Amino acid sequence: GAVVSQHPSWVICKSGTSVKIECRSLDFQATTMFWYRQFPKQSLMLMATSNEGSKATYEQGVEKDKFLINHASLTLSTLTVTSAHPEDSSFYICSARNRGPLVATNEKLFFGSGTQLSVL
Amino acid sequence: SQQGEEDPQALSIQEGENATMNCSYKTSINNLQWYRQNSGRGLVHLILIRSNEREKHSGRLRVTLDTSKKSSSLLITASRAADTASYFCATVSRGGSSNTGKLIFGQGTTLQVKP
Repeated sequence: GAVVSQHPSWVICKSGTSVKIECRSLDFQATTMFWYRQFPKQSLMLMATSNEGSKATYEQGVEKDKFLINHASLTLSTLTVTSAHPEDSSFYICSARNRGPLVATNEKLFFGSGTQLSVL
Repeated sequence: SQQGEEDPQALSIQEGENATMNCSYKTSINNLQWYRQNSGRGLVHLILIRSNEREKHSGRLRVTLDTSKKSSSLLITASRAADTASYFCATVSRGGSSNTGKLIFGQGTTLQVKP
């Protein structure tokens, strides 16, 4: 099956610093990647849709200058949390959709293992 | 915004019993998907059911879809301790391209299977 690699798995940083999270599709090309945020014991909230070669589309209420997304290639998208604050502490998960020819493959998402961000 | 509502929020059963989780949604959909998440990990796709399908099976999983009621159920038969996880339904709204459409998740059901 398709594999999505997300790094780092966890990161602790000081308030005011920036943190970059990488999401790679290892064995398929992903024109679209999605970034989600998840608080403890809650569901996933879609933050933004990352499109290769174009600007990301952010969900309502998500600050695009705070959460910078770059999708420079068909296999890599990055999320940078800028000037992180304790309220940004959360579990961030990326996912990608295989652009292969099979409709069923195209519709389901493959997820990274997530990044637990703790801002002190 | 999350459009899926799931119940129960938490379910605890004994190994060997069946587990049923329900999901309701608000908009018209192209398909509905179920995912599983182990604690502190990413999600794994379990099964997808299209809007023109009513029931689908995959191993010990059985999914039903009632588009008139905008609801779906996931049944796990003969549960095992390893099935302990959170289960989420997710939908792609009709009208968007399924190849780029956003997947919106329900609130999830936390399942505990006691050995």
